[in-house]
Amino acid sequence: DTGVSQDPRHKITKRGQNVTFRCDPISEHNRLYWYRQTLGQGPEFLTYFQNEAQLEKSRLLSDRFSAERPKGSFSTLEIQRTEQGDSAMYLCASSPGGLMNTEAFFGQGTRLTVV
Amino acid sequence: GDSVTQMEGPVTLSEEAFLTINCTYTATGYPSLFWYVQYPGEGLQLLLKATKADDKGSNKGFEATYRKETTSFHLEKGSVQVSDSAVYFCALRENSGYSTLTFGKGTMLLVSP
Repeated sequence: DTGVSQDPRHKITKRGQNVTFRCDPISEHNRLYWYRQTLGQGPEFLTYFQNEAQLEKSRLLSDRFSAERPKGSFSTLEIQRTEQGDSAMYLCASSPGGLMNTEAFFGQGTRLTVV
Repeated sequence: GDSVTQMEGPVTLSEEAFLTINCTYTATGYPSLFWYVQYPGEGLQLLLKATKADDKGSNKGFEATYRKETTSFHLEKGSVQVSDSAVYFCALRENSGYSTLTFGKGTMLLVSP
């Protein structure tokens, strides 16, 4: 297992288009997180899955954003009607369930540019 | 809500210099504290962590001590190398709820030979 994998690594899209990103967590990690990182800022939490259940969503996640984890393995994050303000790095992380002090492992991110 | 404040960068040092990156936090409970590092073109990697007051996290020559009385978790290294050039993020996680991380803005470290 090579860690958390995200695809694509880079995406350029025109304003108003829809985009979808994929995250493959470390196998057997039942917790999956999406974060967004804008230039000069730290990552900000977007949403959290435990297995296939989406248990928490940040207020940053407007109704143009939707995330799924249909079989409790990979996850997708879709942004509809993209805006220039959506330009950011989208990070996925996973961790094992159980103990609270387990480490979250991050993928390399998908960099979105909306033009 | 929870928040993390880091010193602004970039921090520019010569090789073998002493490093301190300040980090303070605000939290409602008793969080775990982390330092993550992001090398150019790579994802975030956990550098070290501390889960309770007075714990010291250490890794690769870096250290940070969880100071509850000053709500701080400053990162230190006695002798930096060029390969330490990266962006360093301080983060906290409440020990309740869904284990989400709250990050600082990051501090860029540039080490010259």
